[in-house]
Amino acid sequence: SYELTQPPSVSVSPGQTASITCSGDKLGNKYASWYQQKPGQSPVLVIYQDSKRPSGIPERFSGSNSGNTATLTISRTQAMDEADYYCQAWDSSTVIFGGGTKLTVL
Amino acid sequence: QVQLQESGPGLVKPSETLSLTCIVSGGSISSYHWSWIRQPPGKGLEWIGYIYGSGTTNYNPSLKSRVTMSVDTSKNQFSLKLSSVTAADTAVYYCARVLGSGTFRAFDVWGQGTMVTVSS
Repeated sequence: SYELTQPPSVSVSPGQTASITCSGDKLGNKYASWYQQKPGQSPVLVIYQDSKRPSGIPERFSGSNSGNTATLTISRTQAMDEADYYCQAWDSSTVIFGGGTKLTVL
Repeated sequence: QVQLQESGPGLVKPSETLSLTCIVSGGSISSYHWSWIRQPPGKGLEWIGYIYGSGTTNYNPSLKSRVTMSVDTSKNQFSLKLSSVTAADTAVYYCARVLGSGTFRAFDVWGQGTMVTVSS
């Protein structure tokens, strides 16, 4: 079955750029989405179809997908961006989630 | 704007059937796919399956033998049944709206989630 791999944790200083990766076999041939989840809250879609932002998501959030890796990039990172981030793809009529990455802003 | 609200028992006994309902407000259930996703305590997200307004379904292969989803367009709601539950089914269960078709799926609207514990 298809798998998506994320680093368990990423740290970034306020104002800097955070990059969270998601790896899967030929992931670049599929579309990747990204979700932000803060403690005790439901996930929020921040990127879909590799690089599209839903209404209301700041431009600081961007995405790319090529080869075997999709990347979520958060520019000018703020304390409010500290959360768990999950990548997700669609393969063989099945939804797959990555294991999640905890972003720490310190 | 579309809002989703899950409801159902918070405690289910082992070997019994978990039943949840998601009420859709602010929009019609008929024009989208709708999904169930769960998250065990302290763990990641797991997709359970989705159902279209017409009743067409698609389930996660790992859960397919135990999952049944249905839709009631007259009440603008859809439901999940998960049979033969064990402690491993303890999780927060979310309902969500599916964005996309063809080559991609994403989840753009989520319910608040409901915690279901499997215990005797």
